[in-house]
Parts: sequence; structure tokens; C-alpha cells
Amino acid sequence: QQQVKQSPQSLIVQKGGISIINCAYENTAFDYFPWYQQFPGKGPALLIAIRPDVSEKKEGRFTISFNKSAKQFSLHIMDSQPGDSATYFCAAINRRDDKIIFGKGTRLHILP
Amino acid sequence: DVKVTQSSRYLVKRTGEKVFLECVQDMDHENMFWYRQDPGLGLRLIYFSYDVKMKEKGDIPEGYSVSREKKERFSLILESASTNQTSMYLCASSLSRDTSNQPQHFGDGTRLSIL
Repeated sequence: QQQVKQSPQSLIVQKGGISIINCAYENTAFDYFPWYQQFPGKGPALLIAIRPDVSEKKEGRFTISFNKSAKQFSLHIMDSQPGDSATYFCAAINRRDDKIIFGKGTRLHILP
Repeated sequence: DVKVTQSSRYLVKRTGEKVFLECVQDMDHENMFWYRQDPGLGLRLIYFSYDVKMKEKGDIPEGYSVSREKKERFSLILESASTNQTSMYLCASSLSRDTSNQPQHFGDGTRLSIL
């Protein structure tokens, strides 16, 4: 019940295309859903986050779509650029203990 | 900007050695966390701490211990290093349990190799 399932494991997208990464969870106690971006040799960095009372959040080319009834959320990267090539982790936080449960990550490669 | 600093980027140790990984944050955060990151397994929580002198076991605490003597410093200890502890270790911090929806801020990791 504590798991966050992330797919796909890896993704190749043409420059200018839309990259879509999906996550699903079971525990309804999760109340904050951040996405992290990690470049090689660096720690994960917060990219964008959403609360379950909102169905969509957009920051620049990055959008989170959230479906509370289906317990699913996804990251969309519009007009994908080679500089977006990184590993992306979805995550969920339970407000009671502040612990983050991470998905296993998606390695995204944008073709120039 | 929050700065989480891990003392070593790369570390090579031998089986059976006692290994210390150090982490310091400069934003007066109450919560600190240690993860290990392995290909295909994502990030797994080893230990965490909500306050000085406090520690809680994460999902994979076996073979590890931690120390938090000061608020800004959180140390991960491998009591007797084994080859299956070769991994990337990531430290993180967040504001406090009393503040909801606070993200964790990560250091750049220590790549530890046990020979």
C-alpha cells in the first residue's frame, strides 16, 4: 500500500515532442505529490508538485495531471528539449510522517 | 537556497571497515534523511531523523546506524562494510513535521564502493 508505481522505466522522445510519465498509488493518506529531476552526478531536485485537491498544475513546459479517483498522476513535458534528458522520479508524501515514497524512476532521453 | 552538503563525492573502502558518511544542511531544517540509490530500485530510505538525538528506521536499516548530535549534521554509519553496500548514498533534509507539503532537498550524493 505504500508503493508508488512509475512507468515507463525508460523513454525516448524526439526534440519538440511531448514526454509523458505515469505514476499510480494505493495509499489514500498521501497528500502531496512531488516530481524530482535528477541529472547524472547530481542529487534529485524538486521539479514540480501538486496537492490532491487540484487536478492540474502547470509550470512552464511541465504539467502535472492528477486523477484522485483513479489514484494516478502524470508528468507531461511539452516541447521536450535535449536538456530535459534526465531521470525523473514521482513521489508521494504522507503528511503524518513526512516520509517520501518514491517511484523507481524513468530515464528520459530527448533526441536532438 | 537550501544547501545539503555531503562530505565525499566518491569513497572506496574495504570489507569489514567502519564507514562514516557525513551530511550537513544549512537551512535549520528539522528533518533529515538517508537514502541509497541503486539502478532499477530507485531511492530506498535507510534512516531518518526529526530532531537532534532522534532517529527512526526506514525501509532498509539493516547494517546501518545513524548519528544526529547537532541539528545541521546527520551521519550514516556502516558498522562493518560489506560488498552489497556498494551504492550511491543520498542525504536529504526538509523543514519540519509541523509544516505540511514541504519537499525534501537532496545533496549530490556519495558514491561508495566496498572492495
